Amino acid sequence: EAGVAQSPRYKIIEKRQSVAFWCNPISGHATLYWYQQILGQGPKLLIQFQNNGVVDDSQLPKDRFSAERLKGVDSTLKIQPAKLEDSAVYLCASTSLAGGRYEQYFGPGTRLTVT
Amino acid sequence: DAKTTQPTSMDCAEGRAANLPCNHSTISGNEYVYWYRQIHSQGPQYIIHGLKNNETNEMASLIITEDRKSSTLILPHATLRDTAVYYCIVRAQAQKLVFGQGTRLTINP
Repeated sequence: EAGVAQSPRYKIIEKRQSVAFWCNPISGHATLYWYQQILGQGPKLLIQFQNNGVVDDSQLPKDRFSAERLKGVDSTLKIQPAKLEDSAVYLCASTSLAGGRYEQYFGPGTRLTVT
Repeated sequence: DAKTTQPTSMDCAEGRAANLPCNHSTISGNEYVYWYRQIHSQGPQYIIHGLKNNETNEMASLIITEDRKSSTLILPHATLRDTAVYYCIVRAQAQKLVFGQGTRLTINP
């Protein structure tokens, strides 16, 4: 079974520029999550999708961050404009929820550096 | 905020059992104890979870105290590849994961 795919793996941009990350979850997983992990800290949930609907985006800085999952499969996370404090690893995860299984499977992440 | 307390770091000799403690004194009756680990430059990886009974799988064992206020993750024969940050998380099923700082486990040769 293929895992969660993310691209790019690394991105360096200047502040005030825009950036987008892509995630392809495990096939058949209806629930998709985006996390932000700042160096030295645990991951923090930004947004959760169930199919193509948003379940929880309470921690998403909506003035600059946006995310979509149009067809209920792939997802993109965008930052516009980026700030220095957005430097972090952005992790995507997915869950099946079938059969009462709630484990989340994570991708390798995208490391963003804002200069 | 995370509902668990873990030591910041631990060391263990290769081949020995690594025992990682976690305190979760405010755990509710419907909340499970989940363990994830994160190897350097990778995403977190699910290890094991339990409600009140001890659990074992191919990766680890989870021992939960009778009052459910604490638990221990056991890696029976630690290898160098087990060096990682280990996160103990308390959550009800389908609730979001709230990660704390975790325990940085170093396996020494």
